[in-house]
Amino acid sequence: DAGVTQSPTHLIKTRGQQVTLRCSPKSGHDTVSWYQQALGQGPQFIFQYYEEEERQRGNFPDRFSGHQFPNYSSELNVNALLLGDSALYLCASSWGALLVRSGANVLTFGAGSRLTVL
Amino acid sequence: AQTVTQSQPEMSVQEAETVTLSCTYDTSENNYYLFWYKQPPSRQMILVIRQEAYKQQNATENRFSVNFQKAAKSFSLKISDSQLGDTAMYFCAFILYNNNDMRFGAGTRLTVKP
Repeated sequence: DAGVTQSPTHLIKTRGQQVTLRCSPKSGHDTVSWYQQALGQGPQFIFQYYEEEERQRGNFPDRFSGHQFPNYSSELNVNALLLGDSALYLCASSWGALLVRSGANVLTFGAGSRLTVL
Repeated sequence: AQTVTQSQPEMSVQEAETVTLSCTYDTSENNYYLFWYKQPPSRQMILVIRQEAYKQQNATENRFSVNFQKAAKSFSLKISDSQLGDTAMYFCAFILYNNNDMRFGAGTRLTVKP
């Protein structure tokens, strides 16, 4: 049973460029959340996608956008990259729109995409 | 605002011994979940243990147990019989019932020494 897969694993961009990160959720999961983990810090919630819509958003600017496809996979797009966007971007999947109401449901994380902005 | 604080950036323990990682959180809400996640060098976050706030009984998972003190807003993780494979970053996390924004602490780097 494949878990959450993310691509690419590493990438380097320059300031002002745009980047797209991809995520395939765990089999049986229909919800994808994205987190940003800066070096030496805990993950921070960017947004959650369910039924192809952004359902909840954290404190991130509009430069961060996403998409969910009918097969539940998701993309995270970041425009006009800044040096401060350098981080590990984690995708997490779950079942249902509301995490804790799914009973035993918990987030299953991927191994992340390491983005370096020069 | 919901915040999570882990006051121990780094800890070490001898193999087979017991170690306790600290976590405090701040919320005015009553209904929430607490979690401990492990992040090894492979970077993938792995759930260690979880606790529902309304349950008074402390959660246990094999060698892992928590000490949940709701009034003190404290949620510590005890690892018994530490193993080399327990070496990792450990994150305390918190989520409200009607929310999908999981809040994480800054983490504690645990090293298990042979």
